Amino acid sequence: GAVVSQHPSRVICKSGTSVKIECRSLDFQATTMFWYRQFPKQSLMLMATSNEGSKATYEQGVEKDKFLINHASLTLSTLTVTSAHPEDSSFYICSASVRGTVNEQFFGPGTRLTVL
Amino acid sequence: AQSVTQPDIHITVSEGASLELRCNYSYGATPYLFWYVQSPGQGLQLLLKYFSGDTLVQGIKGFEAEFKRSQSSFNLRKPSVHWSDAAEYFCAVGAWGGGNKLTFGTGTQLKVEL
Repeated sequence: GAVVSQHPSRVICKSGTSVKIECRSLDFQATTMFWYRQFPKQSLMLMATSNEGSKATYEQGVEKDKFLINHASLTLSTLTVTSAHPEDSSFYICSASVRGTVNEQFFGPGTRLTVL
Repeated sequence: AQSVTQPDIHITVSEGASLELRCNYSYGATPYLFWYVQSPGQGLQLLLKYFSGDTLVQGIKGFEAEFKRSQSSFNLRKPSVHWSDAAEYFCAVGAWGGGNKLTFGTGTQLKVEL
């Protein structure tokens, strides 16, 4: 149980285009989803937290107009990188949790974005 | 706000040797703590977690970790390392009532020599 999927696993796009990454909880309802960014050989940096049906909360320094997050249902959250540039190239990981006092985050396998 | 320090960026051990990966946290109250493992190009797999209770927790793949409040530590151990354990290991801390947000350490890259 507690499986989270991401699609696509890899994407290459041209500079200036937009890319959408999907994160799905396959066997549970995720009231909260998190989006992380990971640079090579570095730790995970939280970008934003999204709760189903409400606007995402972005961490300081993350451009909300560039990284659009939608959490339209209890099993799906999307991250859209708008007008992508080479510096947006990174490994993006989502996680999902169920609301409660203490909850684990269940992580997706990640999406490798390369912007040419 | 909470923080996590993993002092060792790289560790190399021989297969069959014991392993200890260090994790120190900073938080004003009792945190909840996790160890995750990440293989190259993959997501994170949970090894073990501490929420409360017994301070020695057992995880998957023969790993264990001990929560030591006095030292603000949550070190990961394995008595005998296998070549397949080579990966990146992350310690993470969460705060009770903190909206389930986790703060990750910078990770420790484990290399296993055959």
